[in-house]
Amino acid sequence: AQSVTQPDIHITVSEGASLELRCNYSYGATPYLFWYVQSPGQGLQLLLKYFSGDTLVQGIKGFEAEFKRSQSSFNLRKPSVHWSDAAEYFCAVGAKGSYIPTFGRGTSLIVHP
Amino acid sequence: NAGVMQNPRHLVRRRGQEARLRCSPMKGHSHVYWYRQLPEEGLKFMVYLQKENIIDESGMPKERFSAEFPKEGPSILRIQQVVRGDSAAYFCASSPSDRANTGELFFGEGSRLTVL
Repeated sequence: AQSVTQPDIHITVSEGASLELRCNYSYGATPYLFWYVQSPGQGLQLLLKYFSGDTLVQGIKGFEAEFKRSQSSFNLRKPSVHWSDAAEYFCAVGAKGSYIPTFGRGTSLIVHP
Repeated sequence: NAGVMQNPRHLVRRRGQEARLRCSPMKGHSHVYWYRQLPEEGLKFMVYLQKENIIDESGMPKERFSAEFPKEGPSILRIQQVVRGDSAAYFCASSPSDRANTGELFFGEGSRLTVL
């Protein structure tokens, strides 16, 4: 079975600073990887996904993530954070043939002006 | 194309009452998932359904909880005899058949249940 670890529960950055949110997964084969964002009181919105191919994937809202097989990681990055990026971010892993993705605990992003 | 629709958005029940949460998946999506989110916790899988079938209910408590996805109409998550510990946000997600085996989901805005 697959699992996901998001080691940071909270991350605080200043507006305009760069951001990296960590995600480590455990799965025996090549996983399907996702990042979702949840604004307060809202549902989850897909930011980006990795299925295969180029290990650097671009998503919406200026986010990108890099799949590193050797490190079992799929970290989310943004070069310059905006106040509106303050939200909860969830990493998820799916497995080929498995219909049920596993979610990490989430990382709460706080943006200081 | 409307997204995943959940209602009610907020529901208040007293202990012992029943809660019914409804979910209409995106048009063309035949796979429905229910997740529960507790404060300071992540999303916990409850049940996965296709039309008229429960595929996986391994995350759903054996007692008091049930789910269905009838041929016509929305998916329903039903909680009988609610207790305070059932207070949570319940999220429904759907997926089209050609992506269901990847884990890519489209989420609704959730139903927030408060048990008094």
